[in-house]
Amino acid sequence: AQSVAQPEDQVNVAEGNPLTVKCTYSVSGNPYLFWYVQYPNRGLQFLLKYITGDNLVKGSYGFEAEFNKSQTSFHLKKPSALVSDSALYFCAVRDSYNNNDMRFGAGTRLTVKP
Amino acid sequence: EAQVTQNPRYLITVTGKKLTVTCSQNMNHEYMSWYRQDPGLGLRQIYYSMNVEVTDKGDVPEGYKVSRKEKRNFPLILESPSPNQTSLYFCASSPGPANEQFFGPGTRLTVL
Repeated sequence: AQSVAQPEDQVNVAEGNPLTVKCTYSVSGNPYLFWYVQYPNRGLQFLLKYITGDNLVKGSYGFEAEFNKSQTSFHLKKPSALVSDSALYFCAVRDSYNNNDMRFGAGTRLTVKP
Repeated sequence: EAQVTQNPRYLITVTGKKLTVTCSQNMNHEYMSWYRQDPGLGLRQIYYSMNVEVTDKGDVPEGYKVSRKEKRNFPLILESPSPNQTSLYFCASSPGPANEQFFGPGTRLTVL
């Protein structure tokens, strides 16, 4: 079965600095990769996805992610962090060989300090 | 407004008392899923459905049932809840497997 790992429980950055939230995955076929964000007491909101095509994917709120097949990674990035970016971030993967099963990482809590 | 709704939002119950959490989407999506969110474990898929009358087990189906009699509704049933089912539950829908999911607001369940 597919799996996804977010190696950092917590990421702290200063406002205005670049941020990276890491994600690695394991699939049998081709990956469908997603990033979601969860604000306190809210459901998850979609940020961006990679299905096929360009390895650099741009999404909502200035976020982007780079698909790296050789490293099986899909790290989330933003050039300049905002305090309002503070939230819980989830990476998720579907396997093209079993695309009914969605696996989520454990989540990374991002804190952006003024 | 396109949305996924869940009810109730909060529920405190006792062990063994059957309960149903409803989920409804107004986007005509084929795919629907139920997840539970627990600290340090992220979201784990309980059940999913690819269309009406088509459902299958996810990662943690034990103790749960679902049905999909209509495209818009996907209720989650706990026949005999136990304290280890205390969790935050999310329903989600999407047009297909390569599409992003739309999530409901969540249902916080406490089983005493």
